[in-house]
Amino acid sequence: GQQVMQIPQYQHVQEGEDFTTYCNSSTTLSNIQWYKQRPGGHPVFLIQLVKSGEVKKQKRLTFQFGEAKKNSSLHITATQTTDVGTYFCAGPSNTGKLIFGQGTTLQVKP
Amino acid sequence: DGGITQSPKYLFRKEGQNVTLSCEQNLNHDAMYWYRQDPGQGLRLIYYSQIVNDFQKGDIAEGYSVSREKKESFPLTVTSAQKNPTAFYLCASSLNSGSYNEQFFGPGTRLTVL
Repeated sequence: GQQVMQIPQYQHVQEGEDFTTYCNSSTTLSNIQWYKQRPGGHPVFLIQLVKSGEVKKQKRLTFQFGEAKKNSSLHITATQTTDVGTYFCAGPSNTGKLIFGQGTTLQVKP
Repeated sequence: DGGITQSPKYLFRKEGQNVTLSCEQNLNHDAMYWYRQDPGQGLRLIYYSQIVNDFQKGDIAEGYSVSREKKESFPLTVTSAQKNPTAFYLCASSLNSGSYNEQFFGPGTRLTVL
């Protein structure tokens, strides 16, 4: 069946370092969504990418959608302790349901 | 204040007992979802409902049941048939079931079966 894979599963960085998580789908996606879950919290929608090659920025966060619409990435510049959490990508299946990647958990050492 | 509420936040049950988790939304959303999250794992879809009085099985529906009698409410029952029910359960809603709609999540219920 359709799969959405994320790497790495865990990442520890020193505060101020950059961080990137990668998302790969087994099929072409119409769009991709990114969510953030703080420790002990619930997922919160960050952004949606729709166009091939699209790049969107939110302050220190940069989101990219691959040209083939099968992969995506989230890059955080100069991490801060407030960036701690698990970042999920999610893409729609052929029945419209969202399929979530297993997430990348980011730890930031002050 | 619009949003999704889930209650209770923590729930303890003895093995063999059925338990119902509450999910209510006042966002006027048509679609609602139940996910299960295990430590270090992503979100796995249990059931979803695109409209009142209709629901479909997700990827891991065995041992669970739902109802959608009102637009605002989508309770999940974890039955004794669910072999490993201890997990974090998240309810979500979206404007409709279209794939371009973001999902809004409730705070979750952490179920522990003793």
